[in-house]
Amino acid sequence: GDSVTQMEGPVTLSEEAFLTINCTYTATGYPSLFWYVQYPGEGLQLLLKATKADDKGSNKGFEATYRKETTSFHLEKGSVQVSDSAVYFCALRDDKIIFGKGTRLHILP
Amino acid sequence: EPEVTQTPSHQVTQMGQEVILRCVPISNHLYFYWYRQILGQKVEFLVSFYNNEISEKSEIFDDQFSVERPDGSNFTLKIRSTKLEDSAMYFCASRTVVEQYFGPGTRLTVT
Repeated sequence: GDSVTQMEGPVTLSEEAFLTINCTYTATGYPSLFWYVQYPGEGLQLLLKATKADDKGSNKGFEATYRKETTSFHLEKGSVQVSDSAVYFCALRDDKIIFGKGTRLHILP
Repeated sequence: EPEVTQTPSHQVTQMGQEVILRCVPISNHLYFYWYRQILGQKVEFLVSFYNNEISEKSEIFDDQFSVERPDGSNFTLKIRSTKLEDSAMYFCASRTVVEQYFGPGTRLTVT
């Protein structure tokens, strides 16, 4: 069945560092891809999405490009802030949403 | 901006009791979902609902679980006889074409 694999955490970076969180997927069709963020004690917020190959989703300085050839959707940000500390979930949609296990990101001031 | 709401935010119940978790999806959405997240683990799909019937359910969604849309606005998840392992955060979601919008979740604690 369809699945999502993302890099294990936790990831600890200093403020203003460059961030990459790797995500790859397995799917029989051409799913839409998403990154969700979960701040401590809160629910799931959609961070960005891409609905077809080569689409780039972006929001709040985060970006991810839908790469069909490598079945990847890596999340990047050029300069992270302490407020970016959260758990990040890569996901695909096949009607239902299939989530990766999540990557906890911790940004040090 | 419209949003999915869920009540209660936290429910504590004793093992063996029935619980009903409530959700109000966004008003023009037609597809509804329940997910759960056991503490520290990933978010797992439970069930999807469309046109007043279940479209798909996971292995987790056994006979102890049921869903209902009792009126035009609410979408409920019932657990008939709760177990300790049902303790989790339960998220409701609804969607239009692409995006699913998630509610803030109900934390269920079974003691």
